[in-house]
Amino acid sequence: GESVGLHLPTLSVQEGDNSIINCAYSNSASDYFIWYKQESGKGPQFIIDIRSNMDKRQGQRVTVLLNKTVKHLSLQIAATQPGDSAVYFCAEFRDNYGQNFVFGPGTRLSVLP
Amino acid sequence: DAGVTQSPTHLIKTRGQQVTLRCSPKSGHDTVSWYQQALGQGPQFIFQYYEEEERQRGNFPDRFSGHQFPNYSSELNVNALLLGDSALYLCASSLGGGPVYEQYFGPGTRLTVT
Repeated sequence: GESVGLHLPTLSVQEGDNSIINCAYSNSASDYFIWYKQESGKGPQFIIDIRSNMDKRQGQRVTVLLNKTVKHLSLQIAATQPGDSAVYFCAEFRDNYGQNFVFGPGTRLSVLP
Repeated sequence: DAGVTQSPTHLIKTRGQQVTLRCSPKSGHDTVSWYQQALGQGPQFIFQYYEEEERQRGNFPDRFSGHQFPNYSSELNVNALLLGDSALYLCASSLGGGPVYEQYFGPGTRLTVT
């Protein structure tokens, strides 16, 4: 069935390295995607978004790439820091779910000293 | 400027009981959405309230109901609790009742059903 999912449930990276978190989606009609960061004991926090008419969007130390051909989304974090340790979710905006998002299962990012 | 607040932080209930969770939106926001997040999973949309009405609903049974008050705060009620209702319940606020392109989440209420 249609779903938003992640390739890797866990990811460990060395401090200072770049991190890449991946997400696959199956609904080609989705036109908006968001990456959220969720730290322990907190609610999800908006990181960056991208619309389906874009391939790339950059923020501060983060870049989101969208490949509509293969229905793939990625979040790149440059110079990963200990504070980046969290669970990262991609969320897909699907109109048939009403005006809200479908979240993927999440990837846990652990930053090693 | 207060963000989204939720109460209580933690709650333990027994199967068959009823529970009410509360949410106050971020200052200036008028729309509240509720999500259920099971352990190790992403949040699942329950419903959204705007102008004191349920505007959108996810795939949740009627045991899940809600309310929005004139001050935009909201309650989530769950009747006849099941073990599977154990989860983190998240409230998110936004503006305008339209597409929630920018919603702010609260810290959640951890519900445990025994």
